[in-house]
Amino acid sequence: EPEVTQTPSHQVTQMGQEVILRCVPISNHLYFYWYRQILGQKVEFLVSFYNNEISEKSEIFDDQFSVERPDGSNFTLKIRSTKLEDSAMYFCASSAPGRFPETQYFGPGTRLLVL
Amino acid sequence: ELKVEQNPLFLSMQEGKNYTIYCNYSTTSDRLYWYRQDPGKSLESLFVLLSNGAVKQEGRLMASLDTKARLSTLHITAAVHDLSATYFCAGAWIQGAQKLVFGQGTRLTINP
Repeated sequence: EPEVTQTPSHQVTQMGQEVILRCVPISNHLYFYWYRQILGQKVEFLVSFYNNEISEKSEIFDDQFSVERPDGSNFTLKIRSTKLEDSAMYFCASSAPGRFPETQYFGPGTRLLVL
Repeated sequence: ELKVEQNPLFLSMQEGKNYTIYCNYSTTSDRLYWYRQDPGKSLESLFVLLSNGAVKQEGRLMASLDTKARLSTLHITAAVHDLSATYFCAGAWIQGAQKLVFGQGTRLTINP
């Protein structure tokens, strides 16, 4: 069964450093998303991406964040200058094309720890 | 802005018992999702509920949607230990079709 994959599974970085989180969505999906989950809290939407552009973003997704689909398979989230409060599990998700996207399928997540 | 509230947030129950998790949402939601998350793991899709009165069942789990009451329920029948996990409901609406708004999650522990 096709699945969303993410790399790395864990990332430890120093405050102020740049990190890039990578995702490979399910191959025929056209909508891509990033969510984050701070330890013990609920899942929060960051950004959605469709047709090579951001379609919606949350207040969390400020100028320090960016997304890119550099080729036909990868979808990346970049945090330019990490803060302590960026420590969280970051989930990539994708959904199939349709008038109103169906179920979003989540990847296994990248646990980011900012020291 | 869509807000989603779950209760209870924590639930400890014995095997064989029945219980219900409630999910209220603040404005019209075009669809309602239930996800399961095991500790340290990703989110597994359980149900998508599309219309008022929708009911879906998979094994010991049954989800329903009442759009007039803005309420979805996840009912657990004759619980078994393997169902221990955190369960999230999430809403989505067509104006904001690209994002899911999650509830706080219900951490369910089923004791043998």
